[in-house]
Amino acid sequence: EAGVVQSPRYKIIEKKQPVAFWCNPISGHNTLYWYLQNLGQGPELLIRYENEEAVDDSQLPKDRFSAERLKGVDSTLKIQPAELGDSAVYLCASSLGGGDQETQYFGPGTRLLVL
Amino acid sequence: DQQVKQNSPSLSVQEGRISILNCDYTNSMFDYFLWYKKYPAEGPTFLISISSIKDKNEDGRFTVFLNKSAKHLSLHIVPSQPGDSAVYFCAASVTNSGYALNFGKGTSLLVTP
Repeated sequence: EAGVVQSPRYKIIEKKQPVAFWCNPISGHNTLYWYLQNLGQGPELLIRYENEEAVDDSQLPKDRFSAERLKGVDSTLKIQPAELGDSAVYLCASSLGGGDQETQYFGPGTRLLVL
Repeated sequence: DQQVKQNSPSLSVQEGRISILNCDYTNSMFDYFLWYKKYPAEGPTFLISISSIKDKNEDGRFTVFLNKSAKHLSLHIVPSQPGDSAVYFCAASVTNSGYALNFGKGTSLLVTP
């Protein structure tokens, strides 16, 4: 079974440019998460989707970040415009959804460098 | 506000010996705990989990112990192997709150031959 797929794996952009990350969750997983991981830190949740609905986006900086999961399968996270402080690893995770205690499975991440 | 703390940034253990990684948490509402293992340039890989209704869960060489009164959990790896060298993250969540995982900062384990 394929795991969570993310692309691109690496991205280098100049500040003020837009950037987008793509995630395809494990087949059949209804819940999708985007996490941000800064160097030396653990991942921090940005947004959680149940199917196509964003049910927790309280930690998403909405002035520059946006996300969508139009058909309840794959998802895109966008930053516009990017700032130097956005340099980090952006992780996507998925879980089955609907259970009481679920395990989240992570993709390899997109490593973003903003110059 | 770090609700999950891994106070040892690094740990070095000889091959064949036991590795013990520790994790403390402050939120008494946490009732599901997980350990993830992360290699460089890869995403975290699920290792083992434990519900708050248990105090121990074992899977092969990996055992997680939970002490709710002390708000402490630990991961034991026996015997340690060089391939276990990675960063280990402790994570916790509250059931029915959206399953958002709260992660510690990780402990880098080095298993030497």
